[in-house]
Amino acid sequence: ILNVEQSPQSLHVQEGDSTNFTCSFPSSNFYALHWYRWETAKSPEALFVMTLNGDEKKKGRISATLNTKEGYSYLYIKGSQPEDSATYLCAFLRSNDYKLSFGAGTTVTVRA
Amino acid sequence: NAGVTQTPKFQVLKTGQSMTLQCAQDMNHNSMYWYRQDPGMGLRLIYYSASEGTTDKGEVPNGYNVSRLNKREFSLRLESAAPSQTSVYFCASSDPIRTQYFGPGTRLTVL
Repeated sequence: ILNVEQSPQSLHVQEGDSTNFTCSFPSSNFYALHWYRWETAKSPEALFVMTLNGDEKKKGRISATLNTKEGYSYLYIKGSQPEDSATYLCAFLRSNDYKLSFGAGTTVTVRA
Repeated sequence: NAGVTQTPKFQVLKTGQSMTLQCAQDMNHNSMYWYRQDPGMGLRLIYYSASEGTTDKGEVPNGYNVSRLNKREFSLRLESAAPSQTSVYFCASSDPIRTQYFGPGTRLTVL
């Protein structure tokens, strides 16, 4: 069982504010780091797959950075909107056996 | 393309009953997975199949069996359901870089 941790567990954001949260993972045997967005009553959907140290990915107002040497990734939401309310999962893919381990998620609630 | 489909969407079982959850994907993916999702615990891998004809245990395999019927289909069987298996079950398939494509989920209650 790999230690993939996400913090905080939940956060509340005012509409229009920006926010960010963290995924930490083992710094050894790194292959890729995934981010998924999971809306209530739906299935998780892939946001980003990040493979290189220093990678930055962006999709609209959501972006992510990756530091494989220290084992963390940040997800940023700029100018939060109510439709950004969801649970954001990260998942660590390790290189020795290609097993994917999920964090428990950060649940974001954007208040209008 | 339907993506990943799962049946049933909801199921209620009594302790000791058996059932099979069905999953199919039409994306020609080699790898398929079964996860369970419990509050505060994220997604935990039950079993996975890296390719047709192979299956491997994940993090929480006890009480479950799987069958990779062909490249499209991967089923999960509960032989004797227990209340601890009350959960939401997700099937997924993945592309070569392991991006997961999830089905809609099955909400299972074991009384």
